[in-house]
Amino acid sequence: DVKVTQSSRYLVKRTGEKVFLECVQDMDHENMFWYRQDPGLGLRLIYFSYDVKMKEKGDIPEGYSVSREKKERFSLILESASTNQTSMYLCASSSITQGAYEQYFGPGTRLTVT
Amino acid sequence: GEDVEQSLFLSVREGDSSVINCTYTDSSSTYLYWYKQEPGAGLQLLTYIFSNMDMKQDQRLTVLLNKKDKHLSLRIADTQTGDSAIYFCAEGLSGGYNKLIFGAGTRLAVHP
Repeated sequence: DVKVTQSSRYLVKRTGEKVFLECVQDMDHENMFWYRQDPGLGLRLIYFSYDVKMKEKGDIPEGYSVSREKKERFSLILESASTNQTSMYLCASSSITQGAYEQYFGPGTRLTVT
Repeated sequence: GEDVEQSLFLSVREGDSSVINCTYTDSSSTYLYWYKQEPGAGLQLLTYIFSNMDMKQDQRLTVLLNKKDKHLSLRIADTQTGDSAIYFCAEGLSGGYNKLIFGAGTRLAVHP
């Protein structure tokens, strides 16, 4: 079974702190993604990576950065956390099956910034 | 730009069929997906349909695609309490890197 794990399920940080969210997948997938999920807005793509050290901005990259030093690990960094970054953060990795890309998701990290 | 829309809530009685609807805007989408999110969990892929198909059936799930109207639906037959969850529709954009555009999600509540 594909497994995508995230470093924390719940996290509480203070405004201005630097925050690291880590994601690890065990299926040798090329592509990895970070989303944030907010009620009524669905999932919005923050950043994605298609290879080690490669990254592309998603729809809402402002205030975030990412790092992919190893194929299995994709980190999301909040340089200076703000209250409007309180959200659920979901990591995913993907493979191609019968022409369709399947994204596999981690359980999510609920981040609260106070 | 690309957009995917879904109604936010659906309530059904146990044993009835549920139909969750979705509309999308990108006519070049290659695949369309349905994901399920149970409370406290990440998203789980339920099923997907290739854009040149109009129907796909998988046990209790039936996906209907009307490409002309850019309308996608997910029908769950004999809905059970374990089907209570949020269901997300997503379109896969043509081009590389497997970008998906998600709808806001439909919360399905199943009551006895």
